[in-house]
Amino acid sequence: DTEVTQTPKHLVMGMTNKKSLKCEQHMGHRAMYWYKQKAKKPPELMFVYSYEKLSINESVPSRFSPECPNSSLLNLHLHALQPEDSALYLCASSQVMRVGNQPQHFGDGTRLSIL
Amino acid sequence: GDSVTQMEGPVTLSEEAFLTINCTYTATGYPSLFWYVQYPGEGLQLLLKATKADDKGSNKGFEATYRKETTSFHLEKGSVQVSDSAVYFCALTSTNQAGTALIFGKGTTLSVSS
Repeated sequence: DTEVTQTPKHLVMGMTNKKSLKCEQHMGHRAMYWYKQKAKKPPELMFVYSYEKLSINESVPSRFSPECPNSSLLNLHLHALQPEDSALYLCASSQVMRVGNQPQHFGDGTRLSIL
Repeated sequence: GDSVTQMEGPVTLSEEAFLTINCTYTATGYPSLFWYVQYPGEGLQLLLKATKADDKGSNKGFEATYRKETTSFHLEKGSVQVSDSAVYFCALTSTNQAGTALIFGKGTTLSVSS
């Protein structure tokens, strides 16, 4: 069983809709991550939060807006997405960001389809 | 920059066969190395890790040894099962001023038949 919980598991939305993806962890981790994964490809890093502050934004379009309300929750707000944004969106967490020997723990992802 | 190269798949094996998935890396400094597995329809699960040279990570019958001299971290299992069918990602952590990121290989699809 994964210790990082993502909701919803599946989401279908139109290009004009606004929706949010949610991620929750209760392992006391202080670093949280959003990745985008296309079929048969490795995950691509989008955002990193460290101690609830945005630390890394990998030049992600502004139609993706992350939010970290507290140390356990991470949201990804979606607006005016394009068909090419259809993908599996993965959330991950680790104890802290700057220590390389700590693994990231992933959720099962939200499979997003843009009509 | 830091990078990971792993063998292209798919790898197709019969049950109880021996598995090797090759992984080599390029990195400055001393990265930690990981193998993640992704079963169909699921997220990534940490399979094993090694944090320094000559460390051996092991889990569920899988093993990998951190070889600094050959910059490799090959994944092995002595006897695969149908339930091992999945995509396997080799990864390293790369730390710079911005922080620490996971660098993934392209993934290797393993298909095991009974």
